[in-house]
Amino acid sequence: DTGVSQDPRHKITKRGQNVTFRCDPISEHNRLYWYRQTLGQGPEFLTYFQNEAQLEKSRLLSDRFSAERPKGSFSTLEIQRTEQGDSAMYLCASSPGQGHTDTQYFGPGTRLTVL
Amino acid sequence: GQNIDQPTEMTATEGAIVQINCTYQTSGFNGLFWYQQHAGEAPTFLSYNVLDGLEEKGRFSSFLSRSKGYSYLLLKELQMKDSASYLCAAMDSNYQLIWGAGTKLIIKP
Repeated sequence: DTGVSQDPRHKITKRGQNVTFRCDPISEHNRLYWYRQTLGQGPEFLTYFQNEAQLEKSRLLSDRFSAERPKGSFSTLEIQRTEQGDSAMYLCASSPGQGHTDTQYFGPGTRLTVL
Repeated sequence: GQNIDQPTEMTATEGAIVQINCTYQTSGFNGLFWYQQHAGEAPTFLSYNVLDGLEEKGRFSSFLSRSKGYSYLLLKELQMKDSASYLCAAMDSNYQLIWGAGTKLIIKP
């Protein structure tokens, strides 16, 4: 399977704990995106990488959230001091990076539950 | 502000045709995407329109009118497996996708 993969698929944690999610994009895709989605809503943009450079970060993103893509391949999203409001599906997407309007392909997501 | 409007829920009959409408307001425009999302799964790409007109792809077609800020997704010969949410997303001048909340399509036998 050469699609976008995410790990773990599900995470349950207690309020105040730190969590880290991993995303492996489609091979040779230069762009990688992180989104958050809650039930009945569309994806909410969090951040975006072009290779290893983080080019855009949502103004809504708390400083408890940080993302990295150290070698321009896989990416990690860390949430520190989790809150119940962080409970959501965290989606990763990648795109080839050929021009600006290339199509984003999504991974299966990581469902986070904060107790 | 930037906004995407689409109906919350629609119901249709197996074998029929359904049209899901989407209106958008964005700062600049670089195309309109439709994605399908089954419950508990990730969105999957269906179509992209950047020029006015109809794009046909098998049972699915997508239409765009840039002057009206309007798009629709047309699904023909509906099958039970088409029961899903359909997400409309417009790309703004910063090449960011602005997403609608999705239209939940229920197919009845």
